[in-house]
Amino acid sequence: GESVGLHLPTLSVQEGDNSIINCAYSNSASDYFIWYKQESGKGPQFIIDIRSNMDKRQGQRVTVLLNKTVKHLSLQIAATQPGDSAVYFCADSTGNQFYFGTGTSLTVIP
Amino acid sequence: DAGITQSPRHKVTETGTPVTLRCHQTENHRYMYWYRQDPGHGLRLIHYSYGVKDTDKGEVSDGYSVSRSKTEDFLLTLESATSSQTSVYFCAISESQGGINYGYTFGSGTRLTVV
Repeated sequence: GESVGLHLPTLSVQEGDNSIINCAYSNSASDYFIWYKQESGKGPQFIIDIRSNMDKRQGQRVTVLLNKTVKHLSLQIAATQPGDSAVYFCADSTGNQFYFGTGTSLTVIP
Repeated sequence: DAGITQSPRHKVTETGTPVTLRCHQTENHRYMYWYRQDPGHGLRLIHYSYGVKDTDKGEVSDGYSVSRSKTEDFLLTLESATSSQTSVYFCAISESQGGINYGYTFGSGTRLTVV
C-alpha cells in the first residue's frame, strides 16, 4: 500500500528564519503532491501543490521541491511567522485518492 | 471552510448506538470522502463517493457505511458505535477535469466521542 511519511515529527524555528519540512513517499507512480496545513481544531488547508512533471513550485512565502529520483518532497517556508505554527502534511496521489503522512508539527518561537 | 460543512461539530454517544455524520457541499464536486484522524495515524480513508449512489470502501471501512443520495450530501453512519471509533472525522471534496485531478477541500471536522 501507500507509504507517505515525514522525517521529523516536530520542528521548532525562530520567527523570521526559514523552515524546511520534509516528506518521503513510496509510490513511484504518484503524479500529484500537495502540502496541507492544519491548525488546532480545524481541517487541513491546502498550501501548495506540484505535479510530477515539475521539480519546483513557488507560492507566497512557500516553495515545494520534488525529487522523483529519491521520492522526496519538501516544503520551504520563508521568514516563518507565528501564524505558521501548525501541523503540516504531505499527500500524494495517482488518481482521485490521496495518501497522507502523519504530519510534522511546526512551532515558531517568537 | 467555504463550500463544505460538517454536522454535528461535536458529539458524544454511547457504545452500541448508531450515529450519522453529515457532510454537505455547495461546490457541485463529484468526489466526496470521509476520513478519520487519530494521533500517530494521520488521515485514513473510510469511504468515498464518485457520484450519486456510487460509493466504495477505503482502508478502514469496517463498522461504517455511507450513502449519497444527492450530489451535495454524503452521510457517514456508524452502525453500532464502539470506543475504537472515537476520533475526529473529516469530510473532503474534490473534482477532476479533463482527467486532471485536483486537491481536496476539507470540512472543519466532527469530533466524536464514544463512551
